[in-house]
Amino acid sequence: GNSVTQMEGPVTLSEEAFLTINCTYTATGYPSLFWYVQYPGEGLQLLLKATKADDKGSNKGFEATYRKETTSFHLEKGSVQVSDSAVYFCALSTGYSTLTFGKGTMLLVSP
Amino acid sequence: DVKVTQSSRYLVKRTGEKVFLECVQDMDHENMFWYRQDPGLGLRLIYFSYDVKMKEKGDIPEGYSVSREKKERFSLILESASTNQTSMYLCASSLPGRTEAFFGQGTRLTVV
Repeated sequence: GNSVTQMEGPVTLSEEAFLTINCTYTATGYPSLFWYVQYPGEGLQLLLKATKADDKGSNKGFEATYRKETTSFHLEKGSVQVSDSAVYFCALSTGYSTLTFGKGTMLLVSP
Repeated sequence: DVKVTQSSRYLVKRTGEKVFLECVQDMDHENMFWYRQDPGLGLRLIYFSYDVKMKEKGDIPEGYSVSREKKERFSLILESASTNQTSMYLCASSLPGRTEAFFGQGTRLTVV
């Protein structure tokens, strides 16, 4: 079956530090890959996505590249802000109507 | 702008009550989902629906049922609420295929 593994948190960084959150997956077929963000007390918002190998998704300074050879989709940002503090979820879809999520990684950014 | 709306942000119910959580989407999406989110467990799929009146069990359907009488509305029903159903409930919708899902703001349910 499908599965997503992401690094456990919390990840604690100072403002302007570089961020990497690792995500690897196992899937049948050719999945689309997603990163979602959840701010405290809110639902999930789509942050970025990639639909095929070597695609790079980007949004709000965050980037992730679909690496088929390593089955990975790591999230990166060059300079984090306090407002980036949230929980980040990696997810995949293989087209059978449901998303498979990782367990989430909490990011805490201090001034 | 796409919108998935859950009827309540916060809900407190008593053990044994029948509880209805409502979700409406305005994007004409075929697929709708109910997840629950618990610390350390991530998101777990309760039920999903790929068409009106169609439903499929997810990973944790026990103690829940769903109803989809209209395309835009997907209801989650707790037949007899129990304290272990205290959780954050998230509704989502999507088009068919390898596409993203759009989420509502969540309902934090407390069963006392």
